Amino acid sequence: DGGITQSPKYLFRKEGQNVTLSCEQNLNHDAMYWYRQDPGQGLRLIYYSQIVNDFQKGDIAEGYSVSREKKESFPLTVTSAQKNPTAFYLCASSDPGTSGSYEQYFGPGTRLTVT
Amino acid sequence: GEDVEQSLFLSVREGDSSVINCTYTDSSSTYLYWYKQEPGAGLQLLTYIFSNMDMKQDQRLTVLLNKKDKHLSLRIADTQTGDSAIYFCAETNYGGATNKLIFGTGTLLAVQP
Repeated sequence: DGGITQSPKYLFRKEGQNVTLSCEQNLNHDAMYWYRQDPGQGLRLIYYSQIVNDFQKGDIAEGYSVSREKKESFPLTVTSAQKNPTAFYLCASSDPGTSGSYEQYFGPGTRLTVT
Repeated sequence: GEDVEQSLFLSVREGDSSVINCTYTDSSSTYLYWYKQEPGAGLQLLTYIFSNMDMKQDQRLTVLLNKKDKHLSLRIADTQTGDSAIYFCAETNYGGATNKLIFGTGTLLAVQP
């Protein structure tokens, strides 16, 4: 079964701690994305990667970091520098080279709560 | 920059048609999408339309695109309680450097039994 997995579904951390959210895909997609969702604000792009070993900042990258060492994996670290880290985080992937329509496929999300 | 806007809330009765509207600003948009999000879940792609099309129909879903007015709509026929969710429209500009999707804020569809 092809798809995107995110773990864990719920994550709780104390303020001041870094935390890493996992995103894995077995769709053989080149591009991967991280979004943050807050109530009433839609999705905001944090980071994206179009190919292994390359990534770019999105619209709200401050306080976050990523790596893309493997095609299947795109972990997101929420650092202590992120002022309001509590949110729902969504990972997505796409294969612009073959899909023809550039749609993105989403994982189930991780809800991070920082207290 | 590019912007996508949607109304926040729509309430319909079961069996009626729902129409969710979206406006966008990027005249270079090439693909426009509708996604559905159920509570606590990720986004599920419902359908998409290429910018040279006016209409696309897929079972109960009809997408209308007015490129002149930069207006996109999603019509759900015979709306069911299982259609209750947040619906996002999104657009992308093929040929741009990133293939980024720009999302609207989402429309919460509430279906009353």
